[in-house]
Amino acid sequence: EAGVTQFPSHSVIEKGQTVTLRCDPISGHDNLYWYRRVMGKEIKFLLHFVKESKQDESGMPNNRFLAERTGGTYSTLKVQPAELEDSGVYFCASSQDSGTDTQYFGPGTRLTVL
Amino acid sequence: KNQVEQSPQSLIILEGKNCTLQCNYTVSPFSNLRWYKQDTGRGPVSLTIMTFSENTKSNGRYTATLDADTKQSSLHITASQLSDSASYICVVNLNAGNNRKLIWGLGTSLAVNP
Repeated sequence: EAGVTQFPSHSVIEKGQTVTLRCDPISGHDNLYWYRRVMGKEIKFLLHFVKESKQDESGMPNNRFLAERTGGTYSTLKVQPAELEDSGVYFCASSQDSGTDTQYFGPGTRLTVL
Repeated sequence: KNQVEQSPQSLIILEGKNCTLQCNYTVSPFSNLRWYKQDTGRGPVSLTIMTFSENTKSNGRYTATLDADTKQSSLHITASQLSDSASYICVVNLNAGNNRKLIWGLGTSLAVNP
């Protein structure tokens, strides 16, 4: 069974540009999460989808970030316009249930904003 | 403030030796605590999960302990192998009603040398 996949693995963009990150969860997992790790800091929660609905988006830093999960399958996270402080590794995770169920993580997308 | 603190920040040991990593947390209300292993360039992988009532959990050569009274956890690695070189992250699940939010530590970077 394929795990969580993320695309691209790396992205280098200039300040002001737009970038879209994609996450494909494990098939059948209704719950999809986005996290971010800024260099030197801990991993932080961004948002949580249950199927196509946003269950919790309290971790989204500002309105330059837009996450979607149309159809309840894959998800995209768009940053527009990107700022220097958006640099970091963006992880996606999925799980079957949202309680104590284990979240399975993708390898992450390393975003560098110059 | 909900926080997870880990020590040491980094650790170098020789192959075959044992080691213990520490985690202190101030997360409340508490749902469960996990230890994740993150290899370089990969997403975190769950090693153990413990709820409030559990005080020890093993997964092969990994043994986690939890003292919910003092809000401390430890991860003991027995007979270390080169493949144990990774970052070990303590993660506490904040029980916030219908939502579950993971609060992450910074991790302990473990290097196992031959």
